[in-house]
Amino acid sequence: NAGVMQNPRHLVRRRGQEARLRCSPMKGHSHVYWYRQLPEEGLKFMVYLQKENIIDESGMPKERFSAEFPKEGPSILRIQQVVRGDSAAYFCASSPRDEQFFGPGTRLTVL
Amino acid sequence: GQQVMQIPQYQHVQEGEDFTTYCNSSTTLSNIQWYKQRPGGHPVFLIQLVKSGEVKKQKRLTFQFGEAKKNSSLHITATQTTDVGTYFCAVQTGANNLFFGTGTRLTVIP
Repeated sequence: NAGVMQNPRHLVRRRGQEARLRCSPMKGHSHVYWYRQLPEEGLKFMVYLQKENIIDESGMPKERFSAEFPKEGPSILRIQQVVRGDSAAYFCASSPRDEQFFGPGTRLTVL
Repeated sequence: GQQVMQIPQYQHVQEGEDFTTYCNSSTTLSNIQWYKQRPGGHPVFLIQLVKSGEVKKQKRLTFQFGEAKKNSSLHITATQTTDVGTYFCAVQTGANNLFFGTGTRLTVIP
């Protein structure tokens, strides 16, 4: 049973480009969460999705960020027109109940 | 909004010494979870505490949930170099997402 998978593991973008981060939950998990971790800080909740539904996006910046979890395929976190402040590690997690299983993260660097 | 303070922010210990990190909330919690994140790694679930005054042990790790369900602690006995990492407490909010504490970064000096 493969764990939560994220790709790419490292992503470098120039300011103004788009970043697409993908997350495949563990088999049998239909809940996906995205978190952002700035260097030397804790994780901040961004969005909670189930298949084809956004359940809670209270942690998502109002502009440039969007997330989806289609019926088929991975969940995608999309950041448009990236800025230097978007540089961070982005983790997704999936859950069967209370505990959350985290993927290895995508480390985004914006030049 | 939810506020969870975690102390200390950093802790350096000699190998073999004990280590404790504390998590304090301004509100009563339904439950609390603990995670460990190794340097460069991702958070790994350690445990969930639900009951008032609950104490759980995992080998050298002891987890406590306060009687008022507003605080929790993680204690490691006789630290080893494999214990290095950042320990986070986390509380569930809203629709099951997690609010993480600021973490305690543990360094173990061999």
